[in-house]
Order: sequence, then C-alpha cells, then structure tokens
Amino acid sequence: SYELTQPPSVSVSPGQTASITCSGDKLGDKSACWYQQKPGQSPVLVIYQDSKRPSGIPERFSGSNSGNTATLTISGTQAMDEADYYCQAWDSSTYVFGTGTKVTVL
Amino acid sequence: EVQLVESGGGLVQPGGSLRLSCAASGFTFSSYSMNWVRQAPGKGLEWVSYISSRSSTIYYADSVKGRFTISRDNAKNSLHLQMNSLRAEDTAVYYCARDTLSGSYFFDYWGQGTLVTVSS
Repeated sequence: SYELTQPPSVSVSPGQTASITCSGDKLGDKSACWYQQKPGQSPVLVIYQDSKRPSGIPERFSGSNSGNTATLTISGTQAMDEADYYCQAWDSSTYVFGTGTKVTVL
Repeated sequence: EVQLVESGGGLVQPGGSLRLSCAASGFTFSSYSMNWVRQAPGKGLEWVSYISSRSSTIYYADSVKGRFTISRDNAKNSLHLQMNSLRAEDTAVYYCARDTLSGSYFFDYWGQGTLVTVSS
C-alpha cells in the first residue's frame, strides 16, 4: 500500500520559515494537499493541488511537489500556526494521509 | 455556509454495532462525493470510506472492509456509516468530510467529529 512519510516534529521561531516535507514514491506524479489541525479541532485544508490556497488561507502558506517530495512552507510563521499538519494524496482508490508533523513555534 | 454535523457516536462493546450519521447543509449535497475519516486518540488521520454523489462508486480502507458500510440519502442530505463487528482499534473520532468537485481527491470541508469508543 502507498505510504506518505513526514517528520514527526518541526520547530520554528516566530517570523521565520517552517518547511514540512512529505515523502512518497513518485509523489510528484500525484496531486498533494495539506491540512492543518489544532488541538481539539477538525482538520482545515490549507493547500490543495500541490500549491493552491483555499479562500481564507493566509499567503504565508505555500506548497510545492516534485519527484518524491511535497513540501509545505510557512513563511513568517506566527504563533497561531502552531498545529499538526498532514499531507494527503490519492492512490489506487485510496486516500492516503501522511504520518503528521507537529509544528512548534518557539 | 457549508455545515457537516456528525452524530451517533458512543460507547459500544467489542463485536457490537453502531451507526453514524452526518447531516449536511449549505450546499447541494447530491452533487458531492462524501467520505468518513477517523482519528484514534493521539494518533494521525486515517481515511475510512468514500461514496460518490449517486452512490455508484464506494471505496473502503482495508482495515474496515467487510465490517463497515457507507451509504447516503440525497433526499435527506445525510451520510451514514454502519459499523459492525467493532474492535478496540476502531476507537476514534469519526469525521464526515466533503470531497471536491475539482477531480482531485481531497477534502474541502470537515465536520466536528463524533467519538466512538469500543470497550468492554
């Protein structure tokens, strides 16, 4: 079965850039998206189709996808961005989530 | 405003059954494919099942295949998940999630979730 691997945690200082990777076999040939989940809340879509932002998502969130890796970048990270982040792709009639990354804003 | 409201969660013994529901509003429910996604306590997200807009296509995760049944009632704007032969590992918050119309497979709206606890 298809797997997506993320680093368990990423730490970033306020105002700096956080990059979260998502690795999977030939992931660049698929469409990747990213969800943000804060404690006790439902996931929220922040990036879809590799690099598109839904309405209402700040411009500091951006995405890319090439080769075996998709990347979510948070520029000018704010305290409110502290959350768990999950990548997701679709493969063989299955929706696959990444393992999740906890972003801590120090 | 798109709203997805799950219900039906609770405590059930191993081997028991439970039926979850999701009430949809604020969009044309019959036009969208829908999904169930779950999250065990302290764990990551796990996709459970997909149903197309007219119920013609249904997919299940291997972990629930043969035990869970997804269905929908477009006349009542509702989505359901019948869960049988429940196991301790099915304990999770179950989310109802809307698929997009873009042709790419992702979820643009999620409900608040309903907790299912399987324990004796």
